[in-house]
Amino acid sequence: EAQVTQNPRYLITVTGKKLTVTCSQNMNHEYMSWYRQDPGLGLRQIYYSMNVEVTDKGDVPEGYKVSRKEKRNFPLILESPSPNQTSLYFCASSLRGKGYTFGSGTRLTVV
Amino acid sequence: AQTVTQSQPEMSVQEAETVTLSCTYDTSESDYYLFWYKQPPSRQMILVIRQEAYKQQNATENRFSVNFQKAAKSFSLKISDSQLGDAAMYFCAYRIPGTDSWGKLQFGAGTQVVVTP
Repeated sequence: EAQVTQNPRYLITVTGKKLTVTCSQNMNHEYMSWYRQDPGLGLRQIYYSMNVEVTDKGDVPEGYKVSRKEKRNFPLILESPSPNQTSLYFCASSLRGKGYTFGSGTRLTVV
Repeated sequence: AQTVTQSQPEMSVQEAETVTLSCTYDTSESDYYLFWYKQPPSRQMILVIRQEAYKQQNATENRFSVNFQKAAKSFSLKISDSQLGDAAMYFCAYRIPGTDSWGKLQFGAGTQVVVTP
């Protein structure tokens, strides 16, 4: 089944403890992105990648890191999470000219 | 700056009736893509419909259709014969033009659709 797999679905962590949210797609898509969703703000792009080893900042990149060492994987890294990074996170992938396929989301709470 | 504006935080519709969700966007480009996504309580993001700006014909997908007014920069979604399963948050999205920016979507704040029996 063609899909974007995100893990974990739920995560509670403490301020400053490094964490990684994984994202993997099995559709050989070139483009992958990370978004955060907050009430009243919709989805805002954190980072996106056009292909292996090619990434660019989105609208809200501060406090996040990404890497694209393989085409299928695009992990999101929070080196030192803070409470303002509490949010719902989505990974998504796409081929040029097509709409995005989204993962199931990761609900992150930083206390 | 907000590129995509959804001015209706919530819309209510009765089953079998029609509801229209508004979306406006700001761009100086002539060629771009627009999307509507549905997010039910399961929080999964589901592509409902997409429109290519160079196409004058409005896109349709079963009970979902759009009214694309390029000059007015308006992209409304019409849900006909509403069903209980249509209850969800709906997001309008605009794809920023550019060869390398296919992956850059900007979303509106969303419109919550409530369907009543």
